[in-house]
Amino acid sequence: LAKTTQPISMDSYEGQEVNITCSHNNIATNDYITWYQQFPSQGPRFIIQGYKTKVTNEVASLFIPADRKSSTLSLPRVSLSDTAVYYCLVGPNTGGFKTIFGAGTRLFVKA
Amino acid sequence: SQTIHQWPATLVQPVGSPLSLECTVEGTSNPNLYWYRQAAGRGLQLLFYSVGIGQISSEVPQNLSASRPQDRQFILSSKKLLLSDSGFYLCAWEGEIYEQYFGPGTRLTVT
Repeated sequence: LAKTTQPISMDSYEGQEVNITCSHNNIATNDYITWYQQFPSQGPRFIIQGYKTKVTNEVASLFIPADRKSSTLSLPRVSLSDTAVYYCLVGPNTGGFKTIFGAGTRLFVKA
Repeated sequence: SQTIHQWPATLVQPVGSPLSLECTVEGTSNPNLYWYRQAAGRGLQLLFYSVGIGQISSEVPQNLSASRPQDRQFILSSKKLLLSDSGFYLCAWEGEIYEQYFGPGTRLTVT
């Protein structure tokens, strides 16, 4: 399994765009990149998944460069309610049991 | 739409007592199901996953066990709890692109 490295924590202010980068240098050809968001005392929530280039949905965008050794989750115009832990997972798209949730990135959004 | 239920929401049990946590999924058939445990301030630890009735795979050796008696029911058990079993237990089902959807969780405190 590809190991991922994320910043432990990040601070931002309301209305700013937040970019959280995840490094995965040994990503395999059949690996996908998936991001989850977790609020205190809740289970993680699926945000977005991608394989290459750019993926966008109503919540976030995921940017993946050509070498796929890193990815960036972009949250547009964050609000206080976006304060959460964000997890980057890398694994083959053949079953979630091969994925590992690390410590994630704790995002603090300030007023 | 699919929903996932877990109960109880909170539980306080003495050391050496048995445990039974239940997870049920609605709105999908034959889902892959997962049990995770999360210690305070930590990432998720995969405990068990199941690809069908009676089919259980264990990721971490411990005094916990899991069973899947019905298609949409996943049970986590222990015969004798340890202090180290305290944590936030999460059940999840797997979607079409192998993303996971989590239940509300059970917070277990072993005293």
